[in-house]
Amino acid sequence: GAVVSQHPSRVICKSGTSVKIECRSLDFQATTMFWYRQFPKQSLMLMATSNEGSKATYEQGVEKDKFLINHASLTLSTLTVTSAHPEDSSFYICSAQDPGTGNYGYTFGSGTRLTVV
Amino acid sequence: GQNIDQPTEMTATEGAIVQINCTYQTSGFNGLFWYQQHAGEAPTFLSYNVLDGLEEKGRFSSFLSRSKGYSYLLLKELQMKDSASYLCAVRDGSRKNNDMRFGAGTRLTVKP
Repeated sequence: GAVVSQHPSRVICKSGTSVKIECRSLDFQATTMFWYRQFPKQSLMLMATSNEGSKATYEQGVEKDKFLINHASLTLSTLTVTSAHPEDSSFYICSAQDPGTGNYGYTFGSGTRLTVV
Repeated sequence: GQNIDQPTEMTATEGAIVQINCTYQTSGFNGLFWYQQHAGEAPTFLSYNVLDGLEEKGRFSSFLSRSKGYSYLLLKELQMKDSASYLCAVRDGSRKNNDMRFGAGTRLTVKP
């Protein structure tokens, strides 16, 4: 089945630094990928939609200059958290739909636990 | 916009049956999904409904009523490993990217 690889799984960074998270579709091409954020005991909140070859679409309240998204190829999307602060500490998850699976859901990456100290 | 509501927590006994409800409001319904998520892990796909009725898959079944904006996930013969959060998600076809929005999740605890 469809596999989405996400790296790193865990990262600890200092306040003010930037962190890049990668999301790759391993056996299919994903023209669209979705980035979610999940705080403890809360649900997944859609942050932005990443489109190959064009600008990402950000949800209301998500700062596009802080959360930079690049979707340079059909198999790779990256999310860069710039000038990270402790309140950005969260679980970040990407997902993509394999066109070959029709409507049967989206495949998620394994997530990235970001801790900003 | 979308409102997706499901109970916060539920408890059930090993071997029993549990039903987790989900109600939603959306402007362009294009499918409802159920996912299972263990703490600290990514969600895994359980079921998908786009037409009214019941979809059965082993111990898990999911029901949809589009007119009522209602779905439920039914788990039979509960096992301890079923203790997890269960997320109801709705895909909105009226949005450009046909994205999926999640409910807050129902934390299920299965007790011996």
